[in-house]
Amino acid sequence: NAGVTQTPKFQVLKTGQSMTLQCAQDMNHNSMYWYRQDPGMGLRLIYYSASEGTTDKGEVPNGYNVSRLNKREFSLRLESAAPSQTSVYFCASSEASIADIYEQYFGPGTRLTVT
Amino acid sequence: QKEVEQNSGPLSVPEGAIASLNCTYSDRVSQSFFWYRQYSGKSPELIMSIYSNGDKEDGRFTAQLNKASQYVSLLIRDSQPSDSATYLCAVIRTGSARQLTFGSGTQLTVLP
Repeated sequence: NAGVTQTPKFQVLKTGQSMTLQCAQDMNHNSMYWYRQDPGMGLRLIYYSASEGTTDKGEVPNGYNVSRLNKREFSLRLESAAPSQTSVYFCASSEASIADIYEQYFGPGTRLTVT
Repeated sequence: QKEVEQNSGPLSVPEGAIASLNCTYSDRVSQSFFWYRQYSGKSPELIMSIYSNGDKEDGRFTAQLNKASQYVSLLIRDSQPSDSATYLCAVIRTGSARQLTFGSGTQLTVLP
C-alpha cells in the first residue's frame, strides 16, 4: 500500500496563476483533509471531507477550493495564487479505529512557492 | 491562549536519556490526543494516540494523559540520535468533526 500520495512534490507559481494539488489514498478511509504548514504557525486545516460527497471549511479556507472526486481522491485548488499561499501543503486521511479514534495519516507534502 | 501549546525548544538530551515532551490544551472537552514526529523536510508521522487518563506504552514511547490538568506528555526512553525531530501534539475536540488542532511542535535533539 502506498498510503497517501500527493502530486506534485514541488511547484513554483507566479501571482495570479492557478493550480490543483492532487491527493489520493489507498487505505479505504472515509475522511480526508488538507493542511498547510508555515514556520512558527504549525499545521492548519484548510478543508476537510468527512465522507465522499461532503466537504467543509477548516481554519484557513480563504483562497482555496476543494473537490472530493471519489472515496480515494481529494484535490485542492488555488484559483489565483498569492505570495501568502507559499507554504507546504499536506493531505491526510483517517478512519475510526476500534476505540473510535480518528488517527490521521499524512502524505509526503507539496512545497509551493508563489512569486 | 492557543488551543494547544508546546514548548518550542530546542530540547537537547544525551543519547540513552529519557526525553520528556509536554503539551497543554485549553478546551476541556477535548477527547483524543496524538503525538506526531516530523523529520526536517518530511511529513508528520503518527507515533501514539491516547484518549483515556493514564499511561499508554508502545516500545520506547509512553504517552501520558491527565484530563483534569489538561495535560498530555510523551516520554522517549533510551533516546537515540535518530529520535532527533520535531514532535507535534494534536487534539481532537468533541464535536469538531474529527478535526485535528496542532501545537507548534517541540524540536528535540539527541546528542551522541
